[in-house]
Amino acid sequence: EAQVTQNPRYLITVTGKKLTVTCSQNMNHEYMSWYRQDPGLGLRQIYYSMNVEVTDKGDVPEGYKVSRKEKRNFPLILESPSPNQTSLYFCASSPKVPRQGALEKLFFGSGTQLSVL
Amino acid sequence: QKEVEQNSGPLSVPEGAIASLNCTYSDRGSQSFFWYRQYSGKSPELIMFIYSNGDKEDGRFTAQLNKASQYVSLLIRDSQPSDSATYLCAEHDSWGKLQFGAGTQVVVTP
Repeated sequence: EAQVTQNPRYLITVTGKKLTVTCSQNMNHEYMSWYRQDPGLGLRQIYYSMNVEVTDKGDVPEGYKVSRKEKRNFPLILESPSPNQTSLYFCASSPKVPRQGALEKLFFGSGTQLSVL
Repeated sequence: QKEVEQNSGPLSVPEGAIASLNCTYSDRGSQSFFWYRQYSGKSPELIMFIYSNGDKEDGRFTAQLNKASQYVSLLIRDSQPSDSATYLCAEHDSWGKLQFGAGTQVVVTP
């Protein structure tokens, strides 16, 4: 089954304890991206990757790191989590770089609810 | 800073009526727009995309794009209780960035 898999689904941690949220897709997609969703603010892009070893900042990259060593995986790393990073996180992938005029559908993972105490 | 703006709602719609959702954007260079539907606690799912001026219809959904006025809208005809969700407008740029609006909550009442 074609899908984007995120783990864990729920995570509670404490301030400063490094954590990684994994994201994997089995559709051979070039494009992958991370978003956070907060009430009243909608989805905001954290980082995106247009292909292996190519990553770039979205609108809210502070406090996050990513890597794209292989096509299928795009982990999100919080080196020193803080309470303001408590949020619902989504990973998504697309077969091509979303581009104006190009009709690409983003496939979303199920989300990771992170709470930083 | 590009912005995509939507009314947060909730937009209350009687069952069987037309729901009308609007989205405005600030980047005149934007070309492609997407409407996603998101049920509470679930991930967004694509409903429609539009990149040309005018209307695009798909079943009960119609997307309308007006580049001169910088707005994109979504009409939901014959609204059903299952349409109750948050609807997100999104704009993709040519560099891979994706901007979402904050979403409009729609509540379809029987």
